[in-house]
Amino acid sequence: TQLLEQSPQFLSIQEGENLTVYCNSSSVFSSLQWYRQEPGEGPVLLVTVVTGGEVKKLKRLTFQFGDARKDSSLHITAAQPGDTGLYLCAGGSNSGYALNFGKGTSLLVTP
Amino acid sequence: SAVISQKPSRDICQRGTSLTIQCQVDSQVTMMFWYRQQPGQSLTLIATANQGSEATYESGFVIDKFPISRPNLTFSTLTVSNMSPEDSSIYLCSVTYGGLTDTQYFGPGTRLTVL
Repeated sequence: TQLLEQSPQFLSIQEGENLTVYCNSSSVFSSLQWYRQEPGEGPVLLVTVVTGGEVKKLKRLTFQFGDARKDSSLHITAAQPGDTGLYLCAGGSNSGYALNFGKGTSLLVTP
Repeated sequence: SAVISQKPSRDICQRGTSLTIQCQVDSQVTMMFWYRQQPGQSLTLIATANQGSEATYESGFVIDKFPISRPNLTFSTLTVSNMSPEDSSIYLCSVTYGGLTDTQYFGPGTRLTVL
């Protein structure tokens, strides 16, 4: 099993602040996905990164895939209460379609 | 992306009974998966639902406890058998379309409480 470590586990910030969430592994992944999950709902895909060094931007969210494809980060600029949720990273392996999920980062943005 | 529905959305069940959860997709997909998410935890893969053949189970999950069917490319069921309070979780189905990445799309989940 390829383990993904997410940090921090919990994050509570005020509206307007910036934050970064990290997803690290000792294993190489063919792709990496970031999801956001709100209470009572299934995870919603935010982005998929596949190329080492890749940077993708989604409005105020910036995603980066490490050069060695072992780690990733999610940076949120000027956080808003609507960003509140559980952020999950998941890595795909070359051996099949199964995803390995990190334990998640629970983000709370207060007004 | 697919529109994925799950039924029921939630249920409260008695110990020793069984519940079957349905997952319906609005288009044909390559792979279908079933996950469990225990309270405050991340997602754990239960099994891969294979069309027309037995599901592929992950370590710690067995067919007698979690029988799975996938009769076609858009539908799958997961049964939680002989339930105990430890089975209280959110059960999620997900799908992929194949291609170059392993991107999965998730259903809204089924929240199960076992008394």
